[in-house]
Amino acid sequence: DAKTTQPTSMDCAEGRAANLPCNHSTISGNEYVYWYRQIHSQGPQYIIHGLKNNETNEMASLIITEDRKSSTLILPHATLRDTAVYYCIVSTGANSKLTFGKGITLSVRP
Amino acid sequence: GAVVSQHPSRVICKSGTSVKIECRSLDFQATTMFWYRQFPKQSLMLMATSNEGSKATYEQGVEKDKFLINHASLTLSTLTVTSAHPEDSSFYICSALTTGGTGELFFGEGSRLTVL
Repeated sequence: DAKTTQPTSMDCAEGRAANLPCNHSTISGNEYVYWYRQIHSQGPQYIIHGLKNNETNEMASLIITEDRKSSTLILPHATLRDTAVYYCIVSTGANSKLTFGKGITLSVRP
Repeated sequence: GAVVSQHPSRVICKSGTSVKIECRSLDFQATTMFWYRQFPKQSLMLMATSNEGSKATYEQGVEKDKFLINHASLTLSTLTVTSAHPEDSSFYICSALTTGGTGELFFGEGSRLTVL
């Protein structure tokens, strides 16, 4: 699976949008971009995934660049409960194991 | 989303004993489950891939005789840490792959093992 790089940490104010970047310059044509998050001492939680088109669900939006070499996860209105480690992972999907990097620690401040 | 349950959530055992952790997919069938281990302040590390009805596939450096995995049904996989030692103390997390669609992966709540 292709590797991803993310900043180590970032913070944002409660109620504001949190934009989490991810670089995946070696992504293959059949690899999806997945985002998971892990709140302290819990299992990871699925957020969203996409192949080439932008995606939106009740949790977040995923913006993938046209060349697919990078993406941004957007939490439109961050809350304190969104404080977590966010992992950007690329994988071919079904039956493929997910390899976690170090992720980005998002701290939402009051 | 789909629910994956792990049991126990916390376990403390003496060195040299064996501990079994269960991973259940509650509302879907999972032919494939994955077991991860996470040490404090580190990321998740994949230990093995568990396939229903066949032997697990272990990642490099993970001892298959120490970490026994059994995936006897489409909703249950177990991880047994045999002859546990303090260095095996960790957060063990399972995940189950949904069949069909894009095969989303759902994670259990994790099991924290402390070996005294």
